[in-house]
Amino acid sequence: QSALTQPPSVSGSPGQSVTISCTGTSSDVGSYNRVSWYQQPPGTAPKLMIYEVSNRPSGVPDRFSGSKSGNTASLTISGLQAEDEADYYCSSYTSSSTWVFGGGTKLTVL
Amino acid sequence: QVQLVESGGGLVKPGGSLRLSCAASGFTFSDYYMSWIRQAPGKGLEWVSYISSSSSYTNYADSVKGRFTISRDNAKNSLYLQMNSLRAEDTAVYYCARVGQWLTDMDVWGKGTTVTVSS
Repeated sequence: QSALTQPPSVSGSPGQSVTISCTGTSSDVGSYNRVSWYQQPPGTAPKLMIYEVSNRPSGVPDRFSGSKSGNTASLTISGLQAEDEADYYCSSYTSSSTWVFGGGTKLTVL
Repeated sequence: QVQLVESGGGLVKPGGSLRLSCAASGFTFSDYYMSWIRQAPGKGLEWVSYISSSSSYTNYADSVKGRFTISRDNAKNSLYLQMNSLRAEDTAVYYCARVGQWLTDMDVWGKGTTVTVSS
């Protein structure tokens, strides 16, 4: 059960767009559309931001979008705002009927 | 509103045991799979275990298999994690989470309870 691979950090200025990648294998990301993304500001619990690769739960701004190609999923945040600064984690269901998370990406809004 | 509240964390010696609880409210608990996820200090999220709505199916991360047992009581709207043979590397914040209806995500999270394994 190896963790999905995410860049440790990304940054952008307010109003810009950033993309966070999440690379897995044909046993997880590549096999299922059960990829989700979570936002975790410091000291708080994770919050679901994207489910089933590209769907947003009610209340999540449409500035957040998700996609997938092969074994790599991506989260794009457009129109960056200061409140977006947080750690972001991807997750995927796996062929072993488990879930696996990425190592996390720290987003800094400059 | 939909809410999950964990309890039972604390300080335990290596080799010891601890039982975590998660109280659910605001939704029909018996309709949902539930999961435990943990986060070691300064580290990322690690999925630990899940249980089906009727307790028929469970699964565990390799790191806890054989030591941890997940269970639930639908009459009490409660989820549990029995942790035995605890190790220092089990030190973490443990989150209870509701699994989305199509098993695609964890759509509701509790605030977590802290487990520290140390002599």
